[in-house]
Amino acid sequence: GQNIDQPTEMTATEGAIVQINCTYQTSGFNGLFWYQQHAGEAPTFLSYNVLDGLEEKGRFSSFLSRSKGYSYLLLKELQMKDSASYLCAVSLYRDDKIIFGKGTRLHILP
Amino acid sequence: GAVVSQHPSRVICKSGTSVKIECRSLDFQATTMFWYRQFPKQSLMLMATSNEGSKATYEQGVEKDKFLINHASLTLSTLTVTSAHPEDSSFYICSARSQGFTDTQYFGPGTRLTVL
Repeated sequence: GQNIDQPTEMTATEGAIVQINCTYQTSGFNGLFWYQQHAGEAPTFLSYNVLDGLEEKGRFSSFLSRSKGYSYLLLKELQMKDSASYLCAVSLYRDDKIIFGKGTRLHILP
Repeated sequence: GAVVSQHPSRVICKSGTSVKIECRSLDFQATTMFWYRQFPKQSLMLMATSNEGSKATYEQGVEKDKFLINHASLTLSTLTVTSAHPEDSSFYICSARSQGFTDTQYFGPGTRLTVL
């Protein structure tokens, strides 16, 4: 079966750095997405990693290790607007589906 | 970036009625669209994969006769919830797949369905 694990909730302070981890066990792995979702809204795309390594995009960076089935999303210089759920999702090679983790609710404290 | 629209954004209906939700890709052609359902404080659950011109592929546990999907063109897919019941109340989100280097999915804004 397919399994994606990420912490349910995290809390961090404005201006700090936070790392959200994701581990996965899937068949036919193609790539890994990170999405941000504010309450009551649809997810918005943050990153897509196919190859091992770190990809940086402004305040957000995403890392992937295919051999370890592991990814993380790194958020720097946290702002209050970063309070949201962060969804780790795996793209499956065989049928192009994207399977989502349960999401991590990130709370930012002033 | 690519834009996907969804209509309506909110709908309230009586139990037993049918509701149609439209999903459109506005600036690209989407051969594949996906329909998700999300209950409060839970993750997105894939309901079905919709391919233009062919029958949708439903996930296990999703009733295809209850959730009718039509992908009539490369820019439009519709989801019809037939004989809706209160337990069908949920946030329904569509996404359209853009093929390219990033090969990502772009999500519509979602439709909040409330069945009374």
